[in-house]
Amino acid sequence: QSVLTQPPSASGTPGQRVTVSCSGSSSNIGRKTVNWYQQLPGTAPKLLIYSDNQRPSGVPDRFSGSKSGTSASLAISGLQSEDEADYYCAAWDDSLNGYVFGTGTKVTVL
Amino acid sequence: QVQLVQSGAEVKKPGASVKVSCKASGYTFSDYYMHWVRQAPGQGLEWMGWMNPKNGDRKYAQKFQGRVTMTRDTSINTGYMELSRLISDDTAVYYCAKVRHGSCCSFDSWGQGTLVTVSS
Repeated sequence: QSVLTQPPSASGTPGQRVTVSCSGSSSNIGRKTVNWYQQLPGTAPKLLIYSDNQRPSGVPDRFSGSKSGTSASLAISGLQSEDEADYYCAAWDDSLNGYVFGTGTKVTVL
Repeated sequence: QVQLVQSGAEVKKPGASVKVSCKASGYTFSDYYMHWVRQAPGQGLEWMGWMNPKNGDRKYAQKFQGRVTMTRDTSINTGYMELSRLISDDTAVYYCAKVRHGSCCSFDSWGQGTLVTVSS
């Protein structure tokens, strides 16, 4: 059972804005940076956001990350069909002394 | 370009061990920690631990302590993850991943994954 909680699913129509939440605690999100990964069906995860809100080179600026307290969010603006994937938040947890992933959110483009 | 190429799928019996390899290219292997993550069928991602290729230091997730060993061979830029005393719940795709420069734990390159099936 993950210590980072995400909604199982989220959806939107093309062009809409979708947000995915990630709820943690003071031992992880509250004191450590958050990363977000995108996993397209049948493929390895891909780093989407690092250090709460930074995009690696090549990631469209439609993707943005934010953090407040012990929660983080991923926003996808201008939703496209190719954004249909599973999204995971992740952070180091000082209490567990290990890296933890969120439960994952499946984003569907209607 | 950075590439992590993993060994092929494995089928193992309960109680056996499996060793997955991850060959790195396109960067200085010793300069970046290598992590291992697994994903059971239809499930989420689970972190297993990391290995420092420079000196062999490693840290394992508590869940896998005593069953997992991460090693490397710097002469061939390859990392290894060995999991022993396999049970059916260990059936999963196992990934190696490289950290970003200056980062503890944001993984900017991943292997293609190795499916390990544990079945009698």
